[in-house]
Amino acid sequence: KAGVTQTPRYLIKTRGQQVTLSCSPISGHRSVSWYQQTPGQGLQFLFEYFSETQRNKGNFPGRFSGRQFSNSRSEMNVSTLELGDSALYLCASSDDTRHEQYFGPGTRLTVT
Amino acid sequence: AQSVTQPDIHITVSEGASLELRCNYSYGATPYLFWYVQSPGQGLQLLLKYFSGDTLVQGIKGFEAEFKRSQSSFNLRKPSVHWSDAAEYFCAVGALRNAGNMLTFGGGTRLMVKP
Repeated sequence: KAGVTQTPRYLIKTRGQQVTLSCSPISGHRSVSWYQQTPGQGLQFLFEYFSETQRNKGNFPGRFSGRQFSNSRSEMNVSTLELGDSALYLCASSDDTRHEQYFGPGTRLTVT
Repeated sequence: AQSVTQPDIHITVSEGASLELRCNYSYGATPYLFWYVQSPGQGLQLLLKYFSGDTLVQGIKGFEAEFKRSQSSFNLRKPSVHWSDAAEYFCAVGALRNAGNMLTFGGGTRLMVKP
């Protein structure tokens, strides 16, 4: 089976812009979670989607949003980018029975 | 709320030596526990997990971990380290909420391997 794929792998944006990141889960996985990784805060949970519905949400401002499509692919959007949004954004998929999350390679976002 | 502590930020071991990475967690119920490894510029790879049953769990790449409820610990071990094991290791606790699994990670331990 192909693993979790994320696009793009690298992105440079300017403060105030918005960005959309994409994640394709492992075939058959219906749960997709997003995490932010920064040197200062470490790995933090953003949100989880299952069957096109947000099932869980972490403690991030409303500028961070996401959605999931009927084929389980997911996107996350960050509006009005701030310098502090520079991070590695990781997507993970799960089959929801084994509760094991498999991670993609991440998207490295740099905000200048 | 759950939390995970990895007391050692950096560890250096010689190739061929044994390894133990420490992990302590705080969680109100029986936890789901995981160890992940991250190589530079890469995502996280699942090494092993504990859900229930035998408290000594075996993972990939020769790693094992032992769940000790009395100590709230889930330490990762490997009997003989290889140079390719140099990476960052993350312990995580999974909280089931709304039938979903949210991971809370420790701060990570960076492992360096001396030749």
